Amino acid sequence: QVTLKESGPALVKPTQTLTLTCNFSGFSLSASGMRVSWIRQPPGKALEFLARIDWDDEKFYTTSLETRLTISKDTSENQVVLIMTNMDPVDTATYYCARTYTRWGYYFDYWGQGILVTVSS
Amino acid sequence: EIVVTQSPGTLSLSPGEGATLSCRISQTIGGTFLAWYQQKPGQAPRLLIYGASRRATGIPDRFSGSGSGTDFTLTISRLEPEDFGVYICQQYASSPQTFGQGTKVEVK
Repeated sequence: QVTLKESGPALVKPTQTLTLTCNFSGFSLSASGMRVSWIRQPPGKALEFLARIDWDDEKFYTTSLETRLTISKDTSENQVVLIMTNMDPVDTATYYCARTYTRWGYYFDYWGQGILVTVSS
Repeated sequence: EIVVTQSPGTLSLSPGEGATLSCRISQTIGGTFLAWYQQKPGQAPRLLIYGASRRATGIPDRFSGSGSGTDFTLTISRLEPEDFGVYICQQYASSPQTFGQGTKVEVK
């Protein structure tokens, strides 16, 4: 059974750095074709892809946020971490991590429950 | 970046009725690299359809997807009470994967 769960602070101040952790089970990120991505959804708005990391440690970031994002994995701990610097109120959103098995396609077959992060002073 | 546009914004329907949702991609995507998700308030999206027409595990056959190129459709043959929510399409032919803004299917 595949599960993912996000954790991190619910509230951060402007200019601070956000660190989110995705803990997952039911699959290994060292297995060929596995990928974990971060996606966010501002209140009432569309989903936005942020970053992804593959089983072979290949990474990809959305261009508009590339300078502020860092994604990493700890395969032994079944964790993926997303760091976003210089937070702004417009970054207020629910942040999701999601799995992709790239051998089947590049869609997201399992999602975490999401974590609402509010950016406010 | 490929832009994904969904229509209509809202569908007001009664249980038992059929629903047709549209998803348009800003440029032709090779193959059928399109997925549909269902999202209910306070919940994560749930994968319904991938490859434009393939149902994900456990998805009832009242859900069907079709289309290719730039125009795709999600059809719900007869709405059950649990089907009301927001439906989101996503293209995954080109990085970054991009999502539509969603179609809300609400009770009439």
